[in-house]
Amino acid sequence: ETGVTQTPRHLVMGMTNKKSLKCEQHLGHNAMYWYKQSAKKPLELMFVYNFKEQTENNSVPSRFSPECPNSSHLFLHLHTLQPEDSALYLCASSQDPITGGRNTIYFGEGSWLTVV
Amino acid sequence: EDQVTQSPEALRLQEGESSSLNCSYTVSGLRGLFWYRQDPGKGPEFLFTLYSAGEEKEKERLKATLTKKESFLHITAPKPEDSATYLCAGRGGATNKLIFGTGTLLAVQP
Repeated sequence: ETGVTQTPRHLVMGMTNKKSLKCEQHLGHNAMYWYKQSAKKPLELMFVYNFKEQTENNSVPSRFSPECPNSSHLFLHLHTLQPEDSALYLCASSQDPITGGRNTIYFGEGSWLTVV
Repeated sequence: EDQVTQSPEALRLQEGESSSLNCSYTVSGLRGLFWYRQDPGKGPEFLFTLYSAGEEKEKERLKATLTKKESFLHITAPKPEDSATYLCAGRGGATNKLIFGTGTLLAVQP
């Protein structure tokens, strides 16, 4: 098993749909993240969870709703998205939050989202 | 403003033709400089972390170096399987967040 697994790998949804992205990490890490990757842009940090508590929300629109039931699982609930939300959504984890210590962040394979 | 800039944006090499990718940073109080490799349609794969100027790390054909202003990823005698996008990120600044560059797309032709 890879360290961080994401499902689904590809998702096409209409603007009125509700869907969820799922992430699971098998590394025993305490922190999990959602990043957005768009073409020609740097990775954008969306949310940070530390010991399943949200510690950071980088002004992400409310149509993106994260959920972290435990330190190993992370969800991103999607509703009433816009076409400009189409991107690669990456889940990641690290031993401790990026704001402390010498942490390496490990990424999953990503979920390609297309909003039509 | 804390920033990471990578150059070139794209690089095409012949197999065996060595070269370097550049990552310039203006991150105050840098606490780590990270290199990742990203294959098309996949997530970034961790390569190296460098913490202080003068530090070097190697892995197969790749060597990463760090100065007080920039980092280089040297690729020696590349092979087609080295083709990927290479991402650089610096941690530091007021928030100690990871700040990513936009990457260098490397294509190695046989």
